[in-house]
Amino acid sequence: DTGVSQNPRHKITKRGQNVTFRCDPISEHNRLYWYRQTLGQGPEFLTYFQNEAQLEKSRLLSDRFSAERPKGSFSTLEIQRTEQGDSAMYLCASSPTFRTESYEQYFGPGTRLTVT
Amino acid sequence: DAKTTQPPSMDCAEGRAANLPCNHSTISGNEYVYWYRQIHSQGPQYIIHGLKNNETNEMASLIITEDRKSSTLILPHATLRDTAVYYCIVRVAMNPGTSYGKLTFGQGTILTVHP
Repeated sequence: DTGVSQNPRHKITKRGQNVTFRCDPISEHNRLYWYRQTLGQGPEFLTYFQNEAQLEKSRLLSDRFSAERPKGSFSTLEIQRTEQGDSAMYLCASSPTFRTESYEQYFGPGTRLTVT
Repeated sequence: DAKTTQPPSMDCAEGRAANLPCNHSTISGNEYVYWYRQIHSQGPQYIIHGLKNNETNEMASLIITEDRKSSTLILPHATLRDTAVYYCIVRVAMNPGTSYGKLTFGQGTILTVHP
């Protein structure tokens, strides 16, 4: 499978614990995005990487959230001291860079986080 | 990015064409219209995009009005597997200096295809 992969697919954690999610984009895709989706809503943008550089962060990304893409390939999203409001689907998407005007993003299956 | 308005839900009979409307009356000249869909428990899937002209690919057709204030996504022969939430999104052309291409999703249209 050459699509975007995310691990784990499901995570249940207790309030106050830290969690980390991983995203493996499509090979050679330089652009990587993280989104969050709560029940009944469309995905909301969290952050964007071009290669290893984090170039844009949403105000939704509080201090408890941190994302990295250390070698410009896979990315991790960490949430510290989880709260019940963090329960959501966390989606990763990647995109190639050779299209300069318009392009599509390829999404992974998401990681569903439940904070109890 | 311009805001879009879509009906919350629509029904379609299997084998018939599904026509999903989208209003984007505040669209700017440099903004594209994108359509994505999300099947239950999966990530969103790109369908099609356009700027001014009508577009067609293996999945769907996109009809954009001449004033670009609205568009229609057409699934010519809907199947049960087309049941999903369909999102219409407008965004500026990719510009590394000012726009990194994030997508702003609304609530979309829940399309239910029934036998």
